[in-house]
Amino acid sequence: EIVMTQSPATLSVSPGERATLSCRASQSVSSNLAWYRQKPGQAPRLLIYGASTRATGIPARFSGSGSGTEFTLTISSLQSDDFAVYYCQQYNKWPLTFGQGAKVEIK
Amino acid sequence: EVQLLESGGGLVQPGGSLRLSCAASGFTFSNYAMNWVRQAPGKGLEWVSSLSASGDLTYYPDSVKGRFTISRDNSNNTLYLQMSSLTAEDTAVYYCAKNSAPSGGYWFGPWGQGILVTVSS
Repeated sequence: EIVMTQSPATLSVSPGERATLSCRASQSVSSNLAWYRQKPGQAPRLLIYGASTRATGIPARFSGSGSGTEFTLTISSLQSDDFAVYYCQQYNKWPLTFGQGAKVEIK
Repeated sequence: EVQLLESGGGLVQPGGSLRLSCAASGFTFSNYAMNWVRQAPGKGLEWVSSLSASGDLTYYPDSVKGRFTISRDNSNNTLYLQMSSLTAEDTAVYYCAKNSAPSGGYWFGPWGQGILVTVSS
């Protein structure tokens, strides 16, 4: 099973600032990586797939990068909606696995 | 607009069974693989099962293999998850999720609102 490890577990950021989240895979997943945002009490929403492709309707302030085992999600200027928990997910190999989540909180 | 509406959750005793349903609309259901993902209270996301568009390929993690069965009715645009031999560790919100792409990799979007399954005596 591919283990996905996210860091940091919690990131404290002021509105308007940049946030950078990391996701590391225990073995290569190529570019088969997705990112999701989950706001409290809501279902997750797809942000990024293919490591760097924004999903439909996702604003340009979200960007993804990386390949192999190291990935990054960057939010260029945090809006109120972005204070949430973020998950990465690999779909390179069964079983599909998620990272443990990273919380972005207001500083 | 894609809509996914889960039903069938609730309280079940350990060792019991439950069947979840997910009614889909707003897209050509038979063209897309479908998935179930769960989230235990206060915890992260755990993939539970995936099913190909045609229904001939199923995938499960070891944690549910042999106990859960995913299926679909393409004529009624409905996805199912039959769960048996339930334990307290299966207590979670269960999400139905559409495969974002009609073919290729299994990443998820959009998701239903989720349905709570509680396994307790």
